[in-house]
Amino acid sequence: RKEVEQDPGPFNVPEGATVAFNCTYSNSASQSFFWYRQDCRKEPKLLMSVYSSGNEDGRFTAQLNRASQYISLLIRDSKLSDSATYLCVVNAPLGDMRFGAGTRLTVKP
Amino acid sequence: GAVVSQHPSWVICKSGTSVKIECRSLDFQATTMFWYRQFPKQSLMLMATSNEGSKATYEQGVEKDKFLINHASLTLSTLTVTSAHPEDSSFYICSASTGTRGLEQYFGPGTRLTVT
Repeated sequence: RKEVEQDPGPFNVPEGATVAFNCTYSNSASQSFFWYRQDCRKEPKLLMSVYSSGNEDGRFTAQLNRASQYISLLIRDSKLSDSATYLCVVNAPLGDMRFGAGTRLTVKP
Repeated sequence: GAVVSQHPSWVICKSGTSVKIECRSLDFQATTMFWYRQFPKQSLMLMATSNEGSKATYEQGVEKDKFLINHASLTLSTLTVTSAHPEDSSFYICSASTGTRGLEQYFGPGTRLTVT
């Protein structure tokens, strides 16, 4: 089983749609959780951290369920500029990060 | 803030030669730096973790004698790919962490290595 698993995608949605990405992790001792965004041939950029209480940043909402070892990212009112690959990232107990394979999102006009 | 640079951004070399990639944290001191490799359409794979002044910790399956990592200061880490082969062609990305910002990592722009 992979340490971090994500929806395989790709997701193709129209502008304005709401899209949700799911992620599960295997190590129950994981401590920190993030969503990164990666554009083609670019480095990943931090989108948002994920907290147990859930957190929202504009159109983006992230949630964490430690009991189920599950993380989600919700994008509302999607824009063309949201097209990218979204990476679920889990910080292992020793501090190194484990990346999901990524879910590609394409928002179409 | 939290800017990480890499040099070079793209390098082409011949089989058998060695290539050095530099990773610098420009506006903060990085206690830990990470090196990743990413093949086309795949996710980042951690190669090694390095703390300033100590030997790097390599992930299983990564040859430490082939991928030499030096983390001589709090702002600079280098990755040297020795005796490069075409299968080493990949996108190499470094990241840096202070350990004080929620363990967030800040990524360099990456180095594309092509071995001919």
